Amino acid sequence: DGGITQSPKYLFRKEGQNVTLSCEQNLNHDAMYWYRQDPGQGLRLIYYSQIVNDFQKGDIAEGYSVSREKKESFPLTVTSAQKNPTAFYLCASSADRAGANVLTFGAGSRLTVL
Amino acid sequence: SQELEQSPQSLIVQEGKNLTINCTSSKTLYGLYWYKQKYGEGLIFLMMLQKGGEEKSHEKITAKLDEKKQQSSLHITASQPSHAGIYLCGADWGTGTASKLTFGTGTRLQVTL
Repeated sequence: DGGITQSPKYLFRKEGQNVTLSCEQNLNHDAMYWYRQDPGQGLRLIYYSQIVNDFQKGDIAEGYSVSREKKESFPLTVTSAQKNPTAFYLCASSADRAGANVLTFGAGSRLTVL
Repeated sequence: SQELEQSPQSLIVQEGKNLTINCTSSKTLYGLYWYKQKYGEGLIFLMMLQKGGEEKSHEKITAKLDEKKQQSSLHITASQPSHAGIYLCGADWGTGTASKLTFGTGTRLQVTL
């Protein structure tokens, strides 16, 4: 079945360490997104990519980095520069055509900084 | 975002009861998306509304967009434990791209037996 796979589901990190969250999709979607979800707040966009080898900053990109070397993959690195990295991270994809704004989400990755 | 507000923030209903969740926008909506999230999991797409006065249904869930295209409601009839979760609305204010969706903070629904 087509979908989005995020890994790991749970991740613990010590302060000062970089971590990379994986996101893979087999939906043949052009666009992929990373969101951050915190209690009491809506989803906030970190980065998005509409095509391979290109990506744009979202609303809260500071302290994060991404790459899009393959259409299927959009990994997110949470760097040590991110001041408050403990959160639930969601990856999504869409066909990114006019009128096709429906996002398909992965199951999420919960990052905890110790 | 204060431009998009959901109410109530949380809701506890007895199984079998009806309920309504609201999503209010400060600006005219180009599109309004409803998603459901089980705690600690990803979002599942429910419905998308674009036309003023539009109404869509899926099983026992009905979503409506008002004529002014600034408010949407999600109505669940005869709630079941499977309806429990967080319901989020997402607003498109005319960009036509998913990258510009703004999400509400969600309504947490609990269904008691």
